[in-house]
Amino acid sequence: RKEVEQDPGPFNVPEGATVAFNCTYSNSASQSFFWYRQDCRKEPKLLMSVYSSGNEDGRFTAQLNRASQYISLLIRDSKLSDSATYLCVVNDRGSTLGRLYFGRGTQLTVWP
Amino acid sequence: DGGITQSPKYLFRKEGQNVTLSCEQNLNHDAMYWYRQDPGQGLRLIYYSQIVNDFQKGDIAEGYSVSREKKESFPLTVTSAQKNPTAFYLCASSTGSLRGNTEAFFGQGTRLTVV
Repeated sequence: RKEVEQDPGPFNVPEGATVAFNCTYSNSASQSFFWYRQDCRKEPKLLMSVYSSGNEDGRFTAQLNRASQYISLLIRDSKLSDSATYLCVVNDRGSTLGRLYFGRGTQLTVWP
Repeated sequence: DGGITQSPKYLFRKEGQNVTLSCEQNLNHDAMYWYRQDPGQGLRLIYYSQIVNDFQKGDIAEGYSVSREKKESFPLTVTSAQKNPTAFYLCASSTGSLRGNTEAFFGQGTRLTVV
């Protein structure tokens, strides 16, 4: 079983739509959680960290469910510029001492 | 400005040659990582280092080597033993596990092509 699993998509949505991505992780000792965005042929960039209480940044909302070991990202009022691949990232503080695990990414295309 | 720099951006290698990819950061980060990304695929960990003079193999370390002689630098050598080296290589750094492991910052990547 992979450490971090994501639905690869692709998700194709019209502008203005709400879209949600989920990610599951296997190690209950994981400590830190992040969502990254990667544009085509570019490096990943941090979109937002994910906190236990959930957090929001404008149109983006991230949630963490430790009991079920999943993380979600909700994008409201989608824009064309949201088209990208979204990566779920989990930090392991167990035996592998701080290693970061990346999901394969979920591809989003927003169409006009 | 603080950041993480990879060079070169594009690199062409003949079969049988070793090449070294540079990664430098001035963020005072303890942890540094090397990932490989193939088209349409996720990031795969090659090597990582949590502290100077120490590094660990990732999932696909065969055919690669690294060193961590300085905190700021984590070069990756792609050796001739790597059978399919053509890929996009990404270097990243973070504060590391000893300081709560904040998010990772990435360099702009190096596209390696074997010709």
